[in-house]
Formats: sequence, structure tokens, C-alpha cells
Amino acid sequence: GEDVEQSLFLSVREGDSSVINCTYTDSSSTYLYWYKQEPGAGLQLLTYIFSNMDMKQDQRLTVLLNKKDKHLSLRIADTQTGDSAIYFCAERPSARQLTFGSGTQLTVLP
Amino acid sequence: DAGVTQSPTHLIKTRGQQVTLRCSPKSGHDTVSWYQQALGQGPQFIFQYYEEEERQRGNFPDRFSGHQFPNYSSELNVNALLLGDSALYLCASSLSGTGTRATEAFFGQGTRLTVV
Repeated sequence: GEDVEQSLFLSVREGDSSVINCTYTDSSSTYLYWYKQEPGAGLQLLTYIFSNMDMKQDQRLTVLLNKKDKHLSLRIADTQTGDSAIYFCAERPSARQLTFGSGTQLTVLP
Repeated sequence: DAGVTQSPTHLIKTRGQQVTLRCSPKSGHDTVSWYQQALGQGPQFIFQYYEEEERQRGNFPDRFSGHQFPNYSSELNVNALLLGDSALYLCASSLSGTGTRATEAFFGQGTRLTVV
């Protein structure tokens, strides 16, 4: 997804917070999404945010949206080893498709 | 409630052959989208089906075609396979229309296609 950019790798210690960042290009995207992919598996929808919001919290997950800078972040509080996975940011430039970044590999160290 | 199911889970084909992948959407969903995920990349949109018609198509050649059945299940067909078609093929289902429920797309586990 050349229109959505993410850093490739992130390592954190168990119990710390993780912050995964994403920049997107289409200002018309109404919704922005975070998906999680574990090895050999499909994509799991974690959360999404409507473009007129700047923050959304869902248990250990906090999404921050800076629409002016087209910057989206996902914060995972109290990161656990089970959170190790690839995290994809996605924008929705039309009602019919998602445009994904290349994913951030999160490694949680014990 | 079964989620999105795809079959088969793995497939090996030879260059030049044709392949058909299948998807059953989440119960209550009427829209199916297909994505191709190459190794180390994010998923790329192939096309979307609604009411048995292709509604939108991504940047994929005509070798990629699909179908949606009256029960909303879908098939993805790829003709004249190339080595570069090796990827994880993901199906996503969603609900048409507006509203919160229409914003959510749920993915299946994918079909791993290897072309040799």
C-alpha cells in the first residue's frame, strides 16, 4: 500500500506500552482501521476510528488521529507476549475498498 | 456464528494452470471483497462483489475474475497462473449500506496459493 506508510519493526518489553504509527494520504477517508495478523492467519479487526474523531479508546487500545497531518497511531497498554504480531493500518478511500500499509512487526520481549 | 470461511487453506499449482478459491461470508453479510497479500506486504484489493455483480476492481489483470452466488458466497478465479501470483488470498465480508455495521470488514484465514 504505497498510500499508507508504517515503520516495519517495533520491539517492546512485556508490560510496557507499544505505539505503532501510520501516515495516510487520502483526506477523504471516512474511516481508518487497525488490523492484527498472527503468523499463518488472516486479519483480525482490532478497532477503527471515524475521521471526525481524534481519539478512541477500547480497553488496552487507544487510537489517536491527527487529521491535519494525516497521522494515525495505535497505542497498546501493558503489552503482552500474545500481542506479538503484524499490525496493519488501513484507510478507506471509498466505500468499497481498504488500502493497507505494509504492516509493522511488533515483537514483545519477556 | 461462523465467521468468514475460505477453502482450500493451501494450494499448489503449476504455471499456466487455473485456480478457483472459495469464500463464505459471515452470517448476515452480503458483500464480499478479495485481497491478495504477497509475502511481507499488506493486502492489495482485487475486487468486490455485491448482488452478484462486481462493484469495484483494483489494479489486477483480467486473468483475475470472480463470481458471487445468490447465497452471497463467492469465488475467485485466476487463469494462466504466473509465479508472481503466489500469495495469500484473503476474502473479506461486510454489510452493504451506511451505518456503523457497514464500516466493519471481517477477514477469513486466507488461502495460501503457491505457483511452481
